Amino acid sequence: DQQVKQNSPSLSVQEGRISILNCDYTNSMFDYFLWYKKYPAEGPTFLISISSIKDKNEDGRFTVFLNKSAKHLSLHIVPSQPGDSAVYFCAASGGGATNKLIFGTGTLLAVQP
Amino acid sequence: DTEVTQTPKHLVMGMTNKKSLKCEQHMGHRAMYWYKQKAKKPPELMFVYSYEKLSINESVPSRFSPECPNSSLLNLHLHALQPEDSALYLCASSQGSYNEQFFGPGTRLTVL
Repeated sequence: DQQVKQNSPSLSVQEGRISILNCDYTNSMFDYFLWYKKYPAEGPTFLISISSIKDKNEDGRFTVFLNKSAKHLSLHIVPSQPGDSAVYFCAASGGGATNKLIFGTGTLLAVQP
Repeated sequence: DTEVTQTPKHLVMGMTNKKSLKCEQHMGHRAMYWYKQKAKKPPELMFVYSYEKLSINESVPSRFSPECPNSSLLNLHLHALQPEDSALYLCASSQGSYNEQFFGPGTRLTVL
């Protein structure tokens, strides 16, 4: 049972345009959401997070939007750069003492020069 | 120091070998984690240590044995592994609940 889903396995975007990566979840107990970027053979790098009390969080070129009623979040990258090409994972947590993260299946973003 | 380090970077072992993976962080984080990642799959949680005590074991086979000697170190002892255990093993740490987890670069393990 995949509690966090990224339905687009890949996305191709032109440099300078907006990249929109989507993520859906099923567990209404999740209250903290994160996006990670991962290059091959490296560990995930934290990008941005959002708690369920907010619907938007922005950090530079990265903005995360949360729609709790739809159990949906998205990551916007603007403007996209070739160095953004990587696999992007969304992750969700129910918090608590153990901060257990459930990762989505990942979306491979390719930013074309 | 804002990084998580892992050694070794690569490890090849036979099914009868005993080896250990090491993870270290000096960010004062109180929670540390082991994840396993197979090719083209998301990371899957194996163990969580909180304040040096094991708080989650995600039904991991006993051939994987975690150890947290102190708040900065996390080990994963391996014994009698199977070829299907070959994967990228990732260590992470976080300050606590509702905090982002910082990942190390991983150990690429191959079991022959």
